[in-house]
Amino acid sequence: GAGVSQSPSNKVTEKGKDVELRCDPISGHTALYWYRQSLGQGLEFLIYFQGNSAPDKSGLPSDRFSAERTGGSVSTLTIQRTQQEDSAVYLCASSLGVLADEQYFGPGTRLTVT
Amino acid sequence: GQSLEQPSEVTAVEGAIVQINCTYQTSGFYGLSWYQQHDGGAPTFLSYNGLDGLEETGRFSSFLSRSDSYGYLLLQELQMKDSASYFCAVRGGGGFKTIFGAGTRLFVKA
Repeated sequence: GAGVSQSPSNKVTEKGKDVELRCDPISGHTALYWYRQSLGQGLEFLIYFQGNSAPDKSGLPSDRFSAERTGGSVSTLTIQRTQQEDSAVYLCASSLGVLADEQYFGPGTRLTVT
Repeated sequence: GQSLEQPSEVTAVEGAIVQINCTYQTSGFYGLSWYQQHDGGAPTFLSYNGLDGLEETGRFSSFLSRSDSYGYLLLQELQMKDSASYFCAVRGGGGFKTIFGAGTRLFVKA
């Protein structure tokens, strides 16, 4: 079946602009996670969803970052007034539930802020 | 808070066995996972330990000791394609968020 998909695959934006990153999880997966990975670094947890609700937003770096999930499916990560330090690969993952062993990752969106 | 420590780099020869250690600090621990990531690729799941002991999946095994807050990933019969970054990850912290270690870059030499 189809895996996790993310769009766009690459995004170049000017500093100060807003961007929206999209994640389509595997059908039936109720848990969805957003991570950020800078070059050569580990994965930084941003936020997770259980259904449409986000019980833990503590990983969002600043109030410029927000995320939502609708219909228990698609999620959007929005970064307002982008800064150069926001440049990274943004990874989305989904799992059958928050207690599931395995998270399935999408290919990521490479964001470059110029 | 949550934190994980793992070696930054490990080098081994083809056919050998390598162990990648991971120590963690967290509250409300649910389990320790391992992921593999090749350059330019997405992380892929390798193994999960929710209870103490050894889990074996083919050439890969993972171990957990909750009393020591310690786990390891064991890779046997190393192949060149095993050259990648390996991340341990812990789920917990009072909720179900997953925190990843900084990763261990494994170089397999011929």
